[in-house]
Amino acid sequence: GENVEQHPSTLSVQEGDSAVIKCTYSDSASNYFPWYKQELGKRPQLIIDIRSNVGEKKDQRIAVTLNKTAKHFSLHITETQPEDSAVYFCAATSPSGTYKYIFGTGTRLKVLA
Amino acid sequence: SQTIHQWPATLVQPVGSPLSLECTVEGTSNPNLYWYRQAAGRGLQLLFYSVGIGQISSEVPQNLSASRPQDRQFILSSKKLLLSDSGFYLCAWQLTGGTEAFFGQGTRLTVV
Repeated sequence: GENVEQHPSTLSVQEGDSAVIKCTYSDSASNYFPWYKQELGKRPQLIIDIRSNVGEKKDQRIAVTLNKTAKHFSLHITETQPEDSAVYFCAATSPSGTYKYIFGTGTRLKVLA
Repeated sequence: SQTIHQWPATLVQPVGSPLSLECTVEGTSNPNLYWYRQAAGRGLQLLFYSVGIGQISSEVPQNLSASRPQDRQFILSSKKLLLSDSGFYLCAWQLTGGTEAFFGQGTRLTVV
């Protein structure tokens, strides 16, 4: 079945710097890759997603890149702010897996003021 | 618009007691439904998912079970809770495959 690995598990950056979180997936049929942000004690919420027919997608300070050949995708946050501090999860879904969501293990991002 | 309701928000149960967590979705039909568990400081572990009434797939062997008695209702149950069942349980729904999943508010379960 699908397996998603995520690195790093924790990440501390200075306010204004960039943060990059990387994920790899195992099922080559995966075609949808969302990223979720979870603040302490809250539910995860989608912040950006990308489909397998696109290599890069950007939404203001957030961007996601996908390399299908290498089976990895990354989240890039530029000009980080204290409110970006949270746990971020990547996920992959595959039609061969009935589109069930398999999440990475999460990255705890701390933006230091 | 679609909404998802999950209750209770917090629950403290003794070891060996039964469990029933309920999740309902409004404003959509035939959603994919999911139960996840999140241990403290850990990732989201998929427990069960369902693509239709009465159709349940289990991802990990455990002390829990799930049922979908109605199209938009997903229930997580246990006959006898273990200490290791403590965690943050999240229900989620998805309109169709390969789209955004929406999470309920979560239930923080503490087994004592």
